[in-house]
Amino acid sequence: DAGVIQSPRHEVTEMGQEVTLRCKPISGHDYLFWYRQTMMRGLELLIYFNNNVPIDDSGMPEDRFSAKMPNASFSTLKIQPSEPRDSAVYFCASRLGSGSWVDTQYFGPGTRLTVL
Amino acid sequence: AQKITQTQPGMFVQEKEAVTLDCTYDTSDQSYGLFWYKQPSSGEMIFLIYQGSYDEQNATEGRYSLNFQKARKSANLVISASQLGDSAMYFCAMREVGGFKTIFGAGTRLFVKA
Repeated sequence: DAGVIQSPRHEVTEMGQEVTLRCKPISGHDYLFWYRQTMMRGLELLIYFNNNVPIDDSGMPEDRFSAKMPNASFSTLKIQPSEPRDSAVYFCASRLGSGSWVDTQYFGPGTRLTVL
Repeated sequence: AQKITQTQPGMFVQEKEAVTLDCTYDTSDQSYGLFWYKQPSSGEMIFLIYQGSYDEQNATEGRYSLNFQKARKSANLVISASQLGDSAMYFCAMREVGGFKTIFGAGTRLFVKA
């Protein structure tokens, strides 16, 4: 089975540009999470969706960040305008929400974003 | 509030020896799951092992085992017969049963020496 798919794997952009990160969760999973990982702050949860609906976006750092999930198989994280401090690895993860602790969260390979 | 603490920023182990990575947690929930993930230098997050709070036996997955001590609120990862490919960052995580958010520790970087 295919795992979580993210694109692009690497993105280099200039400050002020719009950046769109994409994620395809594992088929059948009803929870989708966006994380950001930096050396300084570790792994931070930005936002998560349940059945395509955003449940908690309290981790989104600023209004420059937005996320959508138009259907069960696709989500985007957009940064507009981007700033150098947004440089990080962005992970998408998905899991099944059956209510058991065995619902393991699976991560995509990540997108390494560099904002110059 | 839930919290995961990994007190070892870095660990060294000789190849073929066993190593224990520490993890303590804090929660007021009775039902929760504990997870370990591996992040090699390539960057992906790889799920290794999980333990349910009501599981009486420690979880094992190949060379990985989870030393679960509920009263001490610890969930240490034991890697037996370390291999060079085990060099990576290891994250401990927790989620309450039925909860939505998974809480991650700061991670421990493991270096396996030849």
